[in-house]
Amino acid sequence: GQNIDQPTEMTATEGAIVQINCTYQTSGFNGLFWYQQHAGEAPTFLSYNVLDGLEEKGRFSSFLSRSKGYSYLLLKELQMKDSASYLCAVMDSNYQLIWGAGTKLIIKP
Amino acid sequence: GAVVSQHPSRVICKSGTSVKIECRSLDFQATTMFWYRQFPKQSLMLMATSNEGSKATYEQGVEKDKFLINHASLTLSTLTVTSAHPEDSSFYICSARDIDRPLGETQYFGPGTRLLVL
Repeated sequence: GQNIDQPTEMTATEGAIVQINCTYQTSGFNGLFWYQQHAGEAPTFLSYNVLDGLEEKGRFSSFLSRSKGYSYLLLKELQMKDSASYLCAVMDSNYQLIWGAGTKLIIKP
Repeated sequence: GAVVSQHPSRVICKSGTSVKIECRSLDFQATTMFWYRQFPKQSLMLMATSNEGSKATYEQGVEKDKFLINHASLTLSTLTVTSAHPEDSSFYICSARDIDRPLGETQYFGPGTRLLVL
């Protein structure tokens, strides 16, 4: 079956760095997405990785290792507004997104 | 970037009534739209994939006769929750795929519709 695993909840301190991991097993692979979702709102796109390596975009970076079925989202210089759920999703061979359960990130002052 | 709208943003209805939710792609043609449901503190659950001009594909466990999907044009898909019950109360989110964009930019989410059935 298809499976996406990510931690349920993480806590970090304002100004610090946090890494959210995601492992996956899917039928085919057409890229991995990270989305941010604030409570009561729809997800917003953060990043897309289809090749191995690190993609940096401002304070956020995303890494992919296809051979390991592994990705992480790295958030630097954490701000209180980064408190949200972070969703990992893999696009399978049918171009359908398979979603992880999301990681709730709590930022403390 | 591409914009997807949903209407209404919030609806309260009585048990037994039907509710229609619209999802529109505002500046691109979406041959495929997706309908998700999200219960509090849970992740997105794909309900169905809506293809323009054809029948929707429903995920296992989703009742076709209860959640009617119509994708009559390239910019509009509707989800009708028929005979709604309190357990249908949830956050319903649509997304639309723009096939003219690279894979990494293909799905755009609407703002969601919060349904409360009394």
